[in-house]
Amino acid sequence: GQNIDQPTEMTATEGAIVQINCTYQTSGFNGLFWYQQHAGEAPTFLSYNVLDGLEEKGRFSSFLSRSKGYSYLLLKELQMKDSASYLCAVNQAGTALIFGKGTTLSVSS
Amino acid sequence: SAVISQKPSRDICQRGTSLTIQCQVDSQVTMMFWYRQQPGQSLTLIATANQGSEATYESGFVIDKFPISRPNLTFSTLTVSNMSPEDSSIYLCSAYTETAYYGYTFGSGTRLTVV
Repeated sequence: GQNIDQPTEMTATEGAIVQINCTYQTSGFNGLFWYQQHAGEAPTFLSYNVLDGLEEKGRFSSFLSRSKGYSYLLLKELQMKDSASYLCAVNQAGTALIFGKGTTLSVSS
Repeated sequence: SAVISQKPSRDICQRGTSLTIQCQVDSQVTMMFWYRQQPGQSLTLIATANQGSEATYESGFVIDKFPISRPNLTFSTLTVSNMSPEDSSIYLCSAYTETAYYGYTFGSGTRLTVV
């Protein structure tokens, strides 16, 4: 079976740093994706990890530990526009992405 | 990465009717998928659209309710049949190509309301 867990909601203030965790249990693994989704819009790709370690891309970073079935998305210097849902998704080789339930992040001033 | 044109972007339909959603990709892709996103929820995989053969459905989804076609490597349709208000959701198609860095792209979604 497959199970992907992430917190339902998080809140933070502008300029702060927030870490969104994702744990997964899947029968196969070929990479972990993070997507951002604003209300009423399609998901937008943020990051992809297939090897252990940290991938940094501007204000956003993503970490993966395959042995622990664990990933996190780190958002720095938060802005109001970062208020959105953040979706963790796992890829099993050659198949569709399987998504977690998503984390709704609210950034306040 | 591939660009997907999905239509319609939204529709309001009467219960008992059917709606067909189309996705056109600007290049040949290896795989195409259909997802449903119910209000306030994440994406749930409906099926993998297989080129030239029957789609592969996930648990809880059946062909009679969600027939899917994929006549070639750039086009797919999803029909939501005999609709009820519970079918009100956003439906998204996705494409995967091995040549792209991260492989997966999404259409802009179809917001369906059944009344």
